Amino acid sequence: GAGVSQSPRYKVAKRGQDVALRCDPISGHVSLFWYQQALGQGPEFLTYFQNEAQLDKSGLPSDRFFAERPEGSVSTLKIQRTQQEDSAVYLCASSQEVILGSNQPQHFGDGTRLSIL
Amino acid sequence: AQSVAQPEDQVNVAEGNPLTVKCTYSVSGNPYLFWYVQYPNRGLQFLLKYITGDNLVKGSYGFEAEFNKSQTSFHLKKPSALVSDSALYFCAVSLYSSASKIIFGSGTRLSIRP
Repeated sequence: GAGVSQSPRYKVAKRGQDVALRCDPISGHVSLFWYQQALGQGPEFLTYFQNEAQLDKSGLPSDRFFAERPEGSVSTLKIQRTQQEDSAVYLCASSQEVILGSNQPQHFGDGTRLSIL
Repeated sequence: AQSVAQPEDQVNVAEGNPLTVKCTYSVSGNPYLFWYVQYPNRGLQFLLKYITGDNLVKGSYGFEAEFNKSQTSFHLKKPSALVSDSALYFCAVSLYSSASKIIFGSGTRLSIRP
């Protein structure tokens, strides 16, 4: 596709349920990022993949959060035993590659708005 | 630790007037600096970036930003504002040595009145 695609756009879940959020990056983009954006705040880094390798997961807030990109394209962010504080917009971004001294801009999807009741 | 500050939650400008959205940063090394724009219920769109070279960077939609190393600032500017520029603007920074991780500011809501 032409841009980064995220699904679903909206997700409502009850506290304690597991959720899975999907990201389809721009075709050929090596790097993929997940961010969490709370209401009225800037995006906060969660994790980063280069192809299928998860190179940085320092931003994942707890072990309830898990991300994967098994074939180096589509990625899934899974949240287990959801809590109300998990309510946020989850943004996915991709870029061509990360090369020291280059830093290609990231292209963002429209996000998944997650509401935990 | 690196950080970004956007001191203004909101900036109001009349259409046709120049606009400035402020950003300051704090890093321990050489920074990469970015501006992104976000429209309601949409993801962020890249406007411009500074890596090295000229301190004045030109980007999309007529926006530009000036890197000032001594003041650790990267203010976003446009000579003549349009109503369609009304949106949420984010400044961001990453380090040369950790180019994957971008830290965003809290955002500035720009409102252009006709």
